[in-house]
Amino acid sequence: QKEVEQNSGPLSVPEGAIASLNCTYSDRGSQSFFWYRQYSGKSPELIMFIYSNGDKEDGRFTAQLNKASQYVSLLIRDSQPSDSATYLCAVNMKSGGSNYKLTFGKGTLLTVNP
Amino acid sequence: ETGVTQTPRHLVMGMTNKKSLKCEQHLGHNAMYWYKQSAKKPLELMFVYNFKEQTENNSVPSRFSPECPNSSHLFLHLHTLQPEDSALYLCASSLTSGADQTQYFGPGTRLLVL
Repeated sequence: QKEVEQNSGPLSVPEGAIASLNCTYSDRGSQSFFWYRQYSGKSPELIMFIYSNGDKEDGRFTAQLNKASQYVSLLIRDSQPSDSATYLCAVNMKSGGSNYKLTFGKGTLLTVNP
Repeated sequence: ETGVTQTPRHLVMGMTNKKSLKCEQHLGHNAMYWYKQSAKKPLELMFVYNFKEQTENNSVPSRFSPECPNSSHLFLHLHTLQPEDSALYLCASSLTSGADQTQYFGPGTRLLVL
């Protein structure tokens, strides 16, 4: 069974701090990795994607990928109360032939306290 | 309309009813997806369509019947559902269904089966 694991949290950080969200995956052949944010009662919203080992920065968000360790993380700098949401890690895994499917973790609930 | 739209946004149905969920994407994408999101569980992929052809059926019960008349529209026909089918049903689309697919979600239909 190909899996994506996340700590369900809740992760609580004070406003202005760095929030660190982690994700591990089981399929060593995975090539693309995504972070989605989901507010309560809403649908997932794409924040970032990363394909290559190392860091990718976009504003206050940094995605980090280590394929050897099968580990991907999301750092949120200067956390704001509006960042409070569930963060979903998703990994594109081969599902047979030339088909791929996005496998999601259960999500980490982040709370940023004012 | 922009992005991915879904109708209805909320649906209450009895176990003997027949209803349909509709999804439309305005992104020029070629792949469309149905997901089920239940409380405390990861997003579950149900069906994948690529250029109108079904490429994935994730062991979904036959009481869920998808239809994809073209690359912009996706339907999920529902009949004789069970209370455990109550969930948020999400539609997504991506340019391709390959290794680098980036999926964008619609707002979802919240379904309650009585």
